[in-house]
Amino acid sequence: TAGITQAPTSQILAAGRSMTLRCTQDMRHNAMYWYRQDLGLGLRLIHYSNTAGTTGKGEVPDGYSVSRANTDDFPLTLASAVPSQTSVYFCASSERQGGQPQHFGDGTRLSIL
Amino acid sequence: GQNIDQPTEMTATEGAIVQINCTYQTSGFNGLFWYQQHAGEAPTFLSYNVLDGLEEKGRFSSFLSRSKGYSYLLLKELQMKDSASYLCAVQDSNYQLIWGAGTKLIIKP
Repeated sequence: TAGITQAPTSQILAAGRSMTLRCTQDMRHNAMYWYRQDLGLGLRLIHYSNTAGTTGKGEVPDGYSVSRANTDDFPLTLASAVPSQTSVYFCASSERQGGQPQHFGDGTRLSIL
Repeated sequence: GQNIDQPTEMTATEGAIVQINCTYQTSGFNGLFWYQQHAGEAPTFLSYNVLDGLEEKGRFSSFLSRSKGYSYLLLKELQMKDSASYLCAVQDSNYQLIWGAGTKLIIKP
């Protein structure tokens, strides 16, 4: 089935360790996004990419980095995890940047201890 | 600043109609989206409004008034499976989505 795949599904990580969350889509969408979702708050954009080879910062980029080497993959890296990064992380994609619905992966539940 | 407001929680009865409101203040406007999110799952797209008026899609309808910074999602003939959170999101001048915190809809038999 076409869509977005995120891995891992969940993870417990010690503070100070690094971690890469994986995201792959097979819809040939140009734009991809990383969000975090915390209780009582709306989805917040971490980083985005409008096309392969380009990335941009969202609302809450500090402590996170991304790369977009090709159309399909958009990994999110936490270089040195802190407890405040405990959250549910969603990867999403859309055909292009504007006026198109975003399609979401199933999310990664990350706990930093 | 940018702000999306929607009620935290609403309760409705199976078979009834419910209206979920969303008001927004954003830097620019390039469309408004509604998403449904069941507990523990990913958001799924419901509707998109960029012009004023009502968009109908089966049991769900979405309305937009750009001059009032206001939208609503109307759900008819409620079913138990409609119990979920409903997220309002506005695309700003940079084409980024600004999200509301979501409205948790509880359906009672």
